[in-house]
Amino acid sequence: AQSVSQHNHHVILSEAASLELGCNYSYGGTVNLFWYVQYPGQHLQLLLKYFSGDPLVKGIKGFEAEFIKSKFSFNLRKPSVQWSDTAEYFCAVTLTSGAGSYQLTFGKGTKLSVIP
Amino acid sequence: KAGVTQTPRYLIKTRGQQVTLSCSPISGHRSVSWYQQTPGQGLQFLFEYFSETQRNKGNFPGRFSGRQFSNSRSEMNVSTLELGDSALYLCASRGEDRYNEQFFGPGTRLTVL
Repeated sequence: AQSVSQHNHHVILSEAASLELGCNYSYGGTVNLFWYVQYPGQHLQLLLKYFSGDPLVKGIKGFEAEFIKSKFSFNLRKPSVQWSDTAEYFCAVTLTSGAGSYQLTFGKGTKLSVIP
Repeated sequence: KAGVTQTPRYLIKTRGQQVTLSCSPISGHRSVSWYQQTPGQGLQFLFEYFSETQRNKGNFPGRFSGRQFSNSRSEMNVSTLELGDSALYLCASRGEDRYNEQFFGPGTRLTVL
């Protein structure tokens, strides 16, 4: 069955530190990959997405992610975090079946706490 | 464009009752999906509707059902509520281009006592 693994449950960083959140998926076919963010008290928002092409994807707020097909990974990075990046981050993969249906499979999420 | 809206935002029910949650997608979006978010299980897919038809269903018992109306608005229903149904229920809508992502609503926080 399709699954997504996020390696870190909770990450604590100081402001200006670099961030890398791991994400691995298990699926042998063509994938579409996403990172969503959930700020405290807010709804899920898309950070970035990968469908095809350049495996290095740039998103909003200075985030980027690299798709490495051979490693089944899609790690999220940011060179310098800010206190406002404190949030929960979710990696997700589309799982498609017949008739054009659409389903996201999410990882369990990584909570990021940034200390001023 | 207005985002995905969900009503009510908070709901408290007791075991054995049933509940109906409502979702209005972004204008023009015909695909509406529902997810359950809990601290233990994370985000889990419930079902997807497109043009009033259920296209896909996750691994949830039959107590969880949904429907979509001709204006793409969707409702989900949970019958015979259990304590474990306490969760944040998220609705998401999507346009039809294959490169479109899902846009999520703020969720309905359901507490079952």
